[in-house]
Amino acid sequence: GAGVSQSPRYKVAKRGQDVALRCDPISGHVSLFWYQQALGQGPEFLTYFQNEAQLDKSGLPSDRFFAERPEGSVSTLKIQRTQQEDSAVYLCASSPLTGGDPLYGYTFGSGTRLTVV
Amino acid sequence: AQSVTQPDIHITVSEGASLELRCNYSYGATPYLFWYVQSPGQGLQLLLKYFSGDTLVQGIKGFEAEFKRSQSSFNLRKPSVHWSDAAEYFCAVGAPPGNTGKLIFGQGTTLQVKP
Repeated sequence: GAGVSQSPRYKVAKRGQDVALRCDPISGHVSLFWYQQALGQGPEFLTYFQNEAQLDKSGLPSDRFFAERPEGSVSTLKIQRTQQEDSAVYLCASSPLTGGDPLYGYTFGSGTRLTVV
Repeated sequence: AQSVTQPDIHITVSEGASLELRCNYSYGATPYLFWYVQSPGQGLQLLLKYFSGDTLVQGIKGFEAEFKRSQSSFNLRKPSVHWSDAAEYFCAVGAPPGNTGKLIFGQGTTLQVKP
């Protein structure tokens, strides 16, 4: 597609539920990033994929967070046993270059707003 | 450690007035610097970026930013603000190629435009 597509746009989860957030990057984009944006804050890096390889997961806050990109295109961010502090907007971004070269900048999706109640 | 500081959480300017949003960074080498804009419910849109060369960079929507190494700053400017510029603005720093390319964002500055 023309842009980065994320679904669902909104997700309400009861505390303790598992959730899965989907990201469809721009076709052919090699690099894919997940960011977490808490209310009133800037986005914070979660993880980076180059094709299907997860090269950096240093930002994942706990082992309840898991991301995958099995075929090097669509990515899923899974959060197990959600807690209230997981409430945030989860942004996905993609780039046509490897190594995260920001030369062309990233294209961000509109995000998934997760509310844990 | 890398960090980005945007000292102004909220700024209000009148339509037609000039604008300057401040950004200070901490990074061990010459960073890649970015300004993004985020409208409500939207993703981040790249306004401009700096890698090297001319320290005054031009971006979209009439924005420009100036890199000042001595001050570790990368302030965003616009000569005349339009009502449609009301949004949240984020400054970010990124590592050079060969790294994972993650960006470190500031807290953001919310711009309100008065008619």
